[in-house]
Amino acid sequence: EAGVAQSPRYKIIEKRQSVAFWCNPISGHATLYWYQQILGQGPKLLIQFQNNGVVDDSQLPKDRFSAERLKGVDSTLKIQPAKLEDSAVYLCASSFDGTLDTQYFGPGTRLTVL
Amino acid sequence: GEDVEQSLFLSVREGDSSVINCTYTDSSSTYLYWYKQEPGAGLQLLTYIFSNMDMKQDQRLTVLLNKKDKHLSLRIADTQTGDSAIYFCAEVVNTGGFKTIFGAGTRLFVKA
Repeated sequence: EAGVAQSPRYKIIEKRQSVAFWCNPISGHATLYWYQQILGQGPKLLIQFQNNGVVDDSQLPKDRFSAERLKGVDSTLKIQPAKLEDSAVYLCASSFDGTLDTQYFGPGTRLTVL
Repeated sequence: GEDVEQSLFLSVREGDSSVINCTYTDSSSTYLYWYKQEPGAGLQLLTYIFSNMDMKQDQRLTVLLNKKDKHLSLRIADTQTGDSAIYFCAEVVNTGGFKTIFGAGTRLFVKA
């Protein structure tokens, strides 16, 4: 079974630029999560999708972050414009149905904002 | 409130047992998880325990849950150098939907 795929693995941008991350979840998983992991901290949920609908985006900074999952499979997370404090690893995870089932994590995208 | 706390570092010698501790605040937690993160990789689920259990054993791993004190621990027997990683404690809380709250992680160093 293929795992959660993410790209790119690394990205370096200057502040005020835009950036987008891509995630392909495990086939058949209805729930997709984006987490932000700042160095030295645990992952913090940014947004959770159930199929192509948003379940929880309460911690997503909506003035600069956006995410979509148009066909209920792949997802993109965008930051526009980026700030220095957005430097972090962005983790994508998926689970079968988003109840109490296991979340499977991708390798993450490490973003550095200069 | 929702908060999960862990000590930041633990150093042990190869062959010894490691015990990583965690405290959480939400008494409505349903599941509690331990994840492992190796350098450059995502989180990998190690084990979990239901909130109505007080112990779970899985090969070298033993999870103890003290629900009264909201304390969770992970014991790794016969720790190996390959166990060096960051270990995250996480609780699942029901906020109208299920949400996973992670601790900051404990970095385990295993000395040969």
